Amino acid sequence: GPKVLQIPSHQIIDMGQMVTLNCDPVSNHLYFYWYKQILGQQMEFLVNFYNGKVMEKSKLFKDQFSVERPDGSYFTLKIQPTALEDSAVYFCASSGQGARNTEVFFGKGTRLTVV
Amino acid sequence: SQLAEENSWALSVHEGESVTVNCSYKTSITALQWYRQKSGKGPAQLILIRSNEREKRNGRLRATLDTSSQSSSLSITATRCEDTAVYFCATDAPNAYKVIFGKGTHLHVLP
Repeated sequence: GPKVLQIPSHQIIDMGQMVTLNCDPVSNHLYFYWYKQILGQQMEFLVNFYNGKVMEKSKLFKDQFSVERPDGSYFTLKIQPTALEDSAVYFCASSGQGARNTEVFFGKGTRLTVV
Repeated sequence: SQLAEENSWALSVHEGESVTVNCSYKTSITALQWYRQKSGKGPAQLILIRSNEREKRNGRLRATLDTSSQSSSLSITATRCEDTAVYFCATDAPNAYKVIFGKGTHLHVLP
């Protein structure tokens, strides 16, 4: 079936450094999402993105976070600077329509460890 | 804030038995979605049940929706060890393009 690819699968980074998480969404999908999951806990919505713009972001989407998808390439989540509490698994997702009433496809996640 | 919540943190059954995971939600919805997340993987949608539907099936899975009590259930028959996973219910948020997950139910299917 359709796949969302996330690169890298693991990333270890020093606190204060910048990190970029990459996502290759399902071809022809128009809506993109990032979620954060701390080990064993709930999937928390961070942000959604459509037509080159952020539509909505949660309180977890701090000022240090940014997203973009330049020229239809990877959909990226950048954290600059990173903090210890940013350690989590970040899931990218995409859908053909908005998340209502449609299937949302998730990647396998990028495990980010900030040390 | 959470819009949907599963009623059990963890369940254990033996292979071959049936199991039901329940979920309650707080707002009006257009659809409720059930996801499964296996260890080390992303969530995968199992069933999407729309607000005008009462029941939906997908192989050994059966989801029900009761909009009057704002609750849903996911039943799995003839469970297998590979059904071991965390099961989430998720709702679409009012006037927003996102899915909000519950905390999940950890299901262990024992041999």
